[in-house]
Amino acid sequence: ETGVTQTPRHLVMGMTNKKSLKCEQHLGHNAMYWYKQSAKKPLELMFVYNFKEQTENNSVPSRFSPECPNSSHLFLHLHTLQPEDSALYLCASSQGTEAFFGQGTRLTVV
Amino acid sequence: GQSLEQPSEVTAVEGAIVQINCTYQTSGFYGLSWYQQHDGGAPTFLSYNGLDGLEETGRFSSFLSRSDSYGYLLLQELQMKDSASYFCAVSLDSSYKLIFGSGTRLLVRP
Repeated sequence: ETGVTQTPRHLVMGMTNKKSLKCEQHLGHNAMYWYKQSAKKPLELMFVYNFKEQTENNSVPSRFSPECPNSSHLFLHLHTLQPEDSALYLCASSQGTEAFFGQGTRLTVV
Repeated sequence: GQSLEQPSEVTAVEGAIVQINCTYQTSGFYGLSWYQQHDGGAPTFLSYNGLDGLEETGRFSSFLSRSDSYGYLLLQELQMKDSASYFCAVSLDSSYKLIFGSGTRLLVRP
């Protein structure tokens, strides 16, 4: 247990569905991140939030929409995804040199 | 663009020493981190180098040479449980957001 909790752990959705991924941390960190991990590719930074403000959108398609209502919670809203979006989506938080990752949501788009 | 290069796979025997190298070309540099990820698990922090030199934490050591844009992770007295993927990651600035390499899969054999 790293202190970062992600739900759901697994998600299968159709290309026309709308779903949301949730991330929660109670470590008191100010920065939260979404990463995408695909097979045989580096972890790709998607979004960065500092003190609830989005500070980076790493050229992510608009079918991914993040939301950070407070410094403990981070959401990733998904709509009209493509099969190539199937991946492990990891949330992380940090305050300093160490990032703490959640277990991830394994997303399959059918 | 950002580029971090590390070997894709390394195999070693139990009790041996293994070194995983990482070279980077990034738009900024604040420090080099290493993370371990077991299959199905979350990446977990191993070490951070902000300055040149060697950092030692138990069986694991990490080295950084900023002038060479190079670092390595050294694992000593290998154990079966060390079989995992190891990622180097660069912090681009003081916000510590991380850009990851593609990972090195380490297999420890009896």
